[in-house]
Amino acid sequence: DGGITQSPKYLFRKEGQNVTLSCEQNLNHDAMYWYRQDPGQGLRLIYYSQIVNDFQKGDIAEGYSVSREKKESFPLTVTSAQKNPTAFYLCASHSGTDNYGYTFGSGTRLTVV
Amino acid sequence: AQSVAQPEDQVNVAEGNPLTVKCTYSVSGNPYLFWYVQYPNRGLQFLLKYITGDNLVKGSYGFEAEFNKSQTSFHLKKPSALVSDSALYFCAVSGFNDMRFGAGTRLTVKP
Repeated sequence: DGGITQSPKYLFRKEGQNVTLSCEQNLNHDAMYWYRQDPGQGLRLIYYSQIVNDFQKGDIAEGYSVSREKKESFPLTVTSAQKNPTAFYLCASHSGTDNYGYTFGSGTRLTVV
Repeated sequence: AQSVAQPEDQVNVAEGNPLTVKCTYSVSGNPYLFWYVQYPNRGLQFLLKYITGDNLVKGSYGFEAEFNKSQTSFHLKKPSALVSDSALYFCAVSGFNDMRFGAGTRLTVKP
């Protein structure tokens, strides 16, 4: 079955450490997105990519970095510059041509310890 | 800029009663509107969408939504709520490059 796989499901980060969240899709979708979810704030866009080797900052890109070397993969790195990284991170993809909105992964919960 | 608002953080309803989760939108041009549901520690699941056509949109799990252009609203409804409908519901609007989400409404259906 096609879908989006995020890993790990839970991740713990020490202060000053960089961590990378994985997002892989086998839907052949061109566009991929990273959202951050905090209680009561809905989803906020971190980065998005509409094509391989190209990506754009979203509303809250500071302290994060991404790459899009392959169509299937869109990893997110949470750097030490992100001062409040504890959150639930969601990856999504979209074909750009269908009207069924986005397909989401199951998320990664990141906690700073 | 495209945006949606969900005026209620929490909606409580008894099982078997009708439910409504409210959403208003602000867009330039014709809106592409969506409803998603999220269960604990999971991603969002698509429920239904409005692109054009009938103002009453039917979706998954017996949910429907009514598009009202004059009130700029897109409320989610279900005639008879189930305990298993308890979850977090998000309204969203499709923008040029991304999708904008409301803050979410937590629906609790009590037996």
